[in-house]
Amino acid sequence: DAGVTQSPTHLIKTRGQQVTLRCSPISGHKSVSWYQQVLGQGPQFIFQYYEKEERGRGNFPDRFSARQFPNYSSELNVNALLLGDSALYLCASSSGQGNAEAFFGQGTRLTVV
Amino acid sequence: LAKTTQPISMDSYEGQEVNITCSHNNIATNDYITWYQQFPSQGPRFIIQGYKTKVTNEVASLFIPADRKSSTLSLPRVSLSDTAVYYCLVGDPGNKLTFGGGTRVLVKP
Repeated sequence: DAGVTQSPTHLIKTRGQQVTLRCSPISGHKSVSWYQQVLGQGPQFIFQYYEKEERGRGNFPDRFSARQFPNYSSELNVNALLLGDSALYLCASSSGQGNAEAFFGQGTRLTVV
Repeated sequence: LAKTTQPISMDSYEGQEVNITCSHNNIATNDYITWYQQFPSQGPRFIIQGYKTKVTNEVASLFIPADRKSSTLSLPRVSLSDTAVYYCLVGDPGNKLTFGGGTRVLVKP
């Protein structure tokens, strides 16, 4: 069974540009969450989607948006990129039921120059 | 959300047992305790999860006292490949996860 897959693995963008990151959850998982991890810190929650509905949003500006598709895959969009958006972006999936644990992908390393 | 406190770093040697204690004084009744392991430039990997008493799997044990205000992750007979950052989280494990700074474990030969 494939785990959580994210694409691309690495990305370099220029300040002011827009970026779209993609995530495919584990088969059967209906919940997808996004996290930002800057160097030396723990991951910070950005969004959670369950059954295509936004279930939670972290303390991030409106430049960050996301959506979940009928097949439960998800995209994270970041507009007007800043140097401080450089980070590892992680996607996690879970069944969304009870105390089911979350499984993380390998992440997308975004570098803004 | 319950806040967690864990040591910033720990050193150990191959073959030793490593115990990392996490404090979570304001844990809620419905909260679970979950531990993740993370290697550089990789996503966190689920290690173990528990609600009370003791949980054991093939890689670790988790000890939770009756008051649930702390928990201890035990890694038996560590190897060099166990060098990583270990995160303790409390809450609903399938929903928003709140990560702290984690504990950097360095296993020496």
